[in-house]
Amino acid sequence: EIVLTQFPDFQSVTPKEKVTITCRASQSFGSSLHWYQQKPDQSPKLLIKDASQSISGVPSRFSGSRSGADFTLTINSLGAEDAAVYYCHQTGSLPYTFGQGTKLEIK
Amino acid sequence: QVTVRESGPALVKPTQTLTLTCTFSGVSLSTSGMCVSWIRQPPGKALEWLARIDWDDDKYYNTSLKTRLTISKDTSKNQVVFTMTNMDPVDTATYYCARAIGTNGPFDIWGQGTMVTVSS
Repeated sequence: EIVLTQFPDFQSVTPKEKVTITCRASQSFGSSLHWYQQKPDQSPKLLIKDASQSISGVPSRFSGSRSGADFTLTINSLGAEDAAVYYCHQTGSLPYTFGQGTKLEIK
Repeated sequence: QVTVRESGPALVKPTQTLTLTCTFSGVSLSTSGMCVSWIRQPPGKALEWLARIDWDDDKYYNTSLKTRLTISKDTSKNQVVFTMTNMDPVDTATYYCARAIGTNGPFDIWGQGTMVTVSS
């Protein structure tokens, strides 16, 4: 089973700041790594697919990249509406797995 | 527009079997590439993938829970049915149904989730 480890677990940031969240995979599985945003009492929402592909309707300030086993979600010019928990998720190898989540707080 | 809705009991007793239904609108479960997964999330915790069923009826399960899980579909009703046997309080969670296109696709459409509490 592929273990996805996210860091940091928690980050408190100010509006307009740039944030990066990293997801490190325990094994190789290709680039089927996706990012989701989950706000309180809501279902997860897909932000980025296949490591770096944008999703229609998602603001362009969200972007993804990959360097080896590390996948990164970058949020430019953070807004108050970006307060949420962010999860990475891999579908390249069964069983599918999720990271433990990164909680983003806006100061 | 594709929508998905989960339904099932809010409360089950320990040792009972949980049965949840996921109903799709706007897309057929028989569409090539259509994959439906169940995911759960205990209160305040992370997401956990449970099972997947594909358009061609292939099925896959979470390794550690495999002996307790069954996933099936009724294409005439456009529904996916999920069962988990021998429920325990640690299984208390919100259970989600989600769609992916292709076996490596992300979950692009999620239901609103259904909260299941296991308690006597």
